[in-house]
Amino acid sequence: DTEVTQTPKHLVMGMTNKKSLKCEQHMGHRAMYWYKQKAKKPPELMFVYSYEKLSINESVPSRFSPECPNSSLLNLHLHALQPEDSALYLCASSQESGYGYTFGSGTRLTVV
Amino acid sequence: QKEVEQDPGPLSVPEGAIVSLNCTYSNSAFQYFMWYRQYSRKGPELLMYTYSSGNKEDGRFTAQVDKSSKYISLFIRDSQPSDSATYLCAMSEREYGNKLVFGAGTILRVKS
Repeated sequence: DTEVTQTPKHLVMGMTNKKSLKCEQHMGHRAMYWYKQKAKKPPELMFVYSYEKLSINESVPSRFSPECPNSSLLNLHLHALQPEDSALYLCASSQESGYGYTFGSGTRLTVV
Repeated sequence: QKEVEQDPGPLSVPEGAIVSLNCTYSNSAFQYFMWYRQYSRKGPELLMYTYSSGNKEDGRFTAQVDKSSKYISLFIRDSQPSDSATYLCAMSEREYGNKLVFGAGTILRVKS
């Protein structure tokens, strides 16, 4: 099992709904990330949270809103999404001592 | 020109073959290189992580980095049907709090 836990695994939501994706890691990693992956495409970075600061990919629409309650948790709040936002949303974490980036299993989001 | 180039395949090989997967890149600032395996509808799983140039071996997998040529490789020995997946190369300028840049991913099919 991956050490980065994402919930829920699947989510179907309407365009007027508000929902949240959750990500948790207990590896003591101090950087966490949200990636979006469309079918047959590589993951694309949405947000980085490291050194207690949030960095945003400026191409990400404001209907996606990250929140980092503590160093182990990273949430992604969703509001007024569009059908083209349907994708696999991946959370990842990393630390400073050379172990690469660890990904969670992802949340498969469908917007109807 | 994309920052990272990777042939999407698919690459089909018989069971037991040696598989060679490759990526080229243009950004000389990349120092951290990773290979991920991704099964359908799952998150990427870290296979190999290397820093700068050189070789790294882990079981049936060998990763090579040639920074002078901006070229990285992953070799899989004695390939198995269970190795059938998409293999993504990824690289970063820093190992922490930094954007991972992915290749397009190569689809590998190992036939029994």
